[in-house]
Formats: sequence, structure tokens, C-alpha cells
Amino acid sequence: SQQGEEDPQALSIQEGENATMNCSYKTSINNLQWYRQNSGRGLVHLILIRSNEREKHSGRLRVTLDTSKKSSSLLITASRAADTASYFCATDDAGGSYIPTFGRGTSLIVHP
Amino acid sequence: DSGVTQTPKHLITATGQRVTLRCSPRSGDLSVYWYQQSLDQGLQFLIQYYNGEERAKGNILERFSAQQFPDLHSELNLSSLELGDSALYFCASSVAGVNNEQFFGPGTRLTVL
Repeated sequence: SQQGEEDPQALSIQEGENATMNCSYKTSINNLQWYRQNSGRGLVHLILIRSNEREKHSGRLRVTLDTSKKSSSLLITASRAADTASYFCATDDAGGSYIPTFGRGTSLIVHP
Repeated sequence: DSGVTQTPKHLITATGQRVTLRCSPRSGDLSVYWYQQSLDQGLQFLIQYYNGEERAKGNILERFSAQQFPDLHSELNLSSLELGDSALYFCASSVAGVNNEQFFGPGTRLTVL
């Protein structure tokens, strides 16, 4: 089974609105990463948050991590049509292999 | 452009055949990862190499094998291909072996007919 699971599976918004995606995971982690994938292309790393961090910002991206709830959220503010993509969280397993395990992703569509 | 290259971009072959996918990591990256992405299974980790040595194994079938060469490029060999092996195969690289940002290549789309 997947270590990380994104929610919702799909999200459709208008340009200018904020988009929030969530990731839940099962075991203790060292860090959590968010990636973006445009259709049929390779994944692009967005942000990494360590288990001892609670919030991180990068441009219009804001990531939070709640280790007590084993969850993370990715907020994209003032979304643009170019943000249309699938977004994945990747978690390692602090007690295991440290290999990032990817969820199935959230498909985001931003309408112009 | 991530700096990771993969060849070929597309591959169409028949069941029972064998193919080789090639990956060149970013300059300076020692670690290479292989992933399979299909609609029903999502992105599945297959195997990782670090500086020529196998570091971790994931959901890799016995029909599949990989290696990393002294120049750090890697090859993924898929044999006795089945229809279900049709997928996007990604290579990613990172500087070290653990807890690092991964840089993904553009992928190889394999179609097994």
C-alpha cells in the first residue's frame, strides 16, 4: 500500500483562487517532499520539509507538516493556468528504507 | 530541464521481447532511481543504485534488472515483456543516497503490443 496518499484526487478551480492539497501518511518520516508533474512528463521537485519543521514557503507555495496527525498540506496561492498539473507527495519511512514513496497524486486544473 | 537524460523517449515492442532503457544522471549525482508509472499502479519505485552499487529494491519484477556503470549511467533491462508492462519508466538522480531531492528525467514510454 502507498505510504503517502493525496486528497482530493482531483481539484478544479478558477485562475486567481487558492488550491489546497493534502497528504496523509502512515509511518514516522524523516522528511516529506512535494513534486509536480505535467501530463506525461517527468516529476519536478517543489519543496522538501523535514520532520522537525512545521511550515515552509517557496514563492506562491506554502507547505505545512503536522507529524502528530501524519499529514501535510500544499497551498498554491493565486493560482495560474500554468499550475495545471498533478501534484504528488513523497514520504520516506524513518524506520525503513528512506526511499521516497509517492502517492497517487492530486490532479489540479486551473481554468483561465 | 532537470539534467537527467533518458533514451529512448518511446518504445513499441511485442510481448515476449526484451528492451533496455538508458539513463544518464545529472553531473555529480551518484544515486540513480528507477520508477514505473502506470494508470492503475501510480508511481512505483523499482530500484536504486548508488555509485555503482545496488542500494535499495522496491517492486521490481524478476524479469527486470538494472545496473549502474562506472561512468554512473544506468540501464534498466526488461525481458519477457507482457502487456501489463506498458507504462512510463522514469529515471531520477540525486546527489547522495538518502533524503535528497530527486531530479527526474523525461521518461521512456513503453508500449507492449
